[in-house]
Amino acid sequence: GQNIDQPTEMTATEGAIVQINCTYQTSGFNGLFWYQQHAGEAPTFLSYNVLDGLEEKGRFSSFLSRSKGYSYLLLKELQMKDSASYLCAVRAYGQNFVFGPGTRLSVLP
Amino acid sequence: GAVVSQHPSRVICKSGTSVKIECRSLDFQATTMFWYRQFPKQSLMLMATSNEGSKATYEQGVEKDKFLINHASLTLSTLTVTSAHPEDSSFYICSGERSRSTDTQYFGPGTRLTVL
Repeated sequence: GQNIDQPTEMTATEGAIVQINCTYQTSGFNGLFWYQQHAGEAPTFLSYNVLDGLEEKGRFSSFLSRSKGYSYLLLKELQMKDSASYLCAVRAYGQNFVFGPGTRLSVLP
Repeated sequence: GAVVSQHPSRVICKSGTSVKIECRSLDFQATTMFWYRQFPKQSLMLMATSNEGSKATYEQGVEKDKFLINHASLTLSTLTVTSAHPEDSSFYICSGERSRSTDTQYFGPGTRLTVL
């Protein structure tokens, strides 16, 4: 099976940088995804990592280390609208996505 | 591209009635569709996976006779909650996938079900 862990809650200040960590245990790793979910809405895709390293997309970056079973999502220049839950999801070969518990991020003025 | 719609967005029903939720991929063919349930302040829990024209695969603990899934075409899947009870009240989200190997899932906007 798969086991995914994320911090439950984080708080940061508008304009700052925040790093949300995700650790996982799986066999047959085939990709890690990050999603953003605002309350009462469906998740929206943010990033995908399958090889080690950093993927950058504007204010959002995601990093993966397969040997450590570790990923992080980095959010720069935080805005109030970034207050949301951030879900880490892992896919293994021949298996469905497994979502982590999610991290609720609160951005304060 | 890769838009998924769900209908209805909200539904309130009486205990004992059945509710059908539709999930449509609007601009792509979804080889696989997924149904998730999400309780407040919790993460998504996969209920079942369905491929067009075949029976759905249910996750452990999900009653297949209570949550009926029909994947009639590459763009439509339906979830019917039969004989709904208050404990079935939840946020139901579907997603579609174009490719099993590398693609992300594209999520619908979700359906808020409240059973009185």
